[in-house]
Amino acid sequence: EVYLVESGGVEVRPGGSLTLSCAASGFPFDRYTMHWVRQPPGKGLEWVSLIGRDGTQRFYSESVRGRFTISRDNRKNSVYLQMNGLTTADTALYYCAKEHRTGWPNLDTWGRGTLLTVLS
Amino acid sequence: SSELIQVPAVSVALGQAVSITCQGDSLRSYDTSWYQQKPGQAPTLVIYNRNNRASGIPDRFSGSSSGNTASLAITGAQAEDEADYYCNSRDSSGYRVVFGGGTKLTVL
Repeated sequence: EVYLVESGGVEVRPGGSLTLSCAASGFPFDRYTMHWVRQPPGKGLEWVSLIGRDGTQRFYSESVRGRFTISRDNRKNSVYLQMNGLTTADTALYYCAKEHRTGWPNLDTWGRGTLLTVLS
Repeated sequence: SSELIQVPAVSVALGQAVSITCQGDSLRSYDTSWYQQKPGQAPTLVIYNRNNRASGIPDRFSGSSSGNTASLAITGAQAEDEADYYCNSRDSSGYRVVFGGGTKLTVL
């Protein structure tokens, strides 16, 4: 069975940095583009970033571009999100998601999320 | 434009049909996916590539699209269909993903 497990969410101060991790299992990880999607408490989904199969293709939302960096390690079946210059607007549940076999933006598997809280 | 617009809330009587819409300029060029999210749970893919049901999704769910508007239809709504529904697609650049603001479906 396909699993995605996020980790690394904590409470940080504005201006701080943090790296989230997502461990994947149950599918050939290096054949799929991976995404990060976030959801502020009580609000809707916001796409954050994607990384292509070999890590060379990386795209970001305008709200995080220049502050966040997505990466992956196909040997460890993991994807990461390094976040710098955090603000209270970054407070959210961060989901890792896998693209569907037909490609993105179809996201067919999601983790349970990891909560980042940026305290003012 | 990179925005997808959804009506915030829709209600439907048990067993009746309902449609949830998603509007955006990028939908003229790119297909839409739909996701269901129940309280405290991660989203679940319902429809991909405009009108294809994801694995395990009941056939009462269907998708369609015309011009800049995509629709998710539920025929014979069940109590377990009460949830938030989100559309997504590529943005106009084609290099990013955009989600609609979500529609809360209440089954009466």
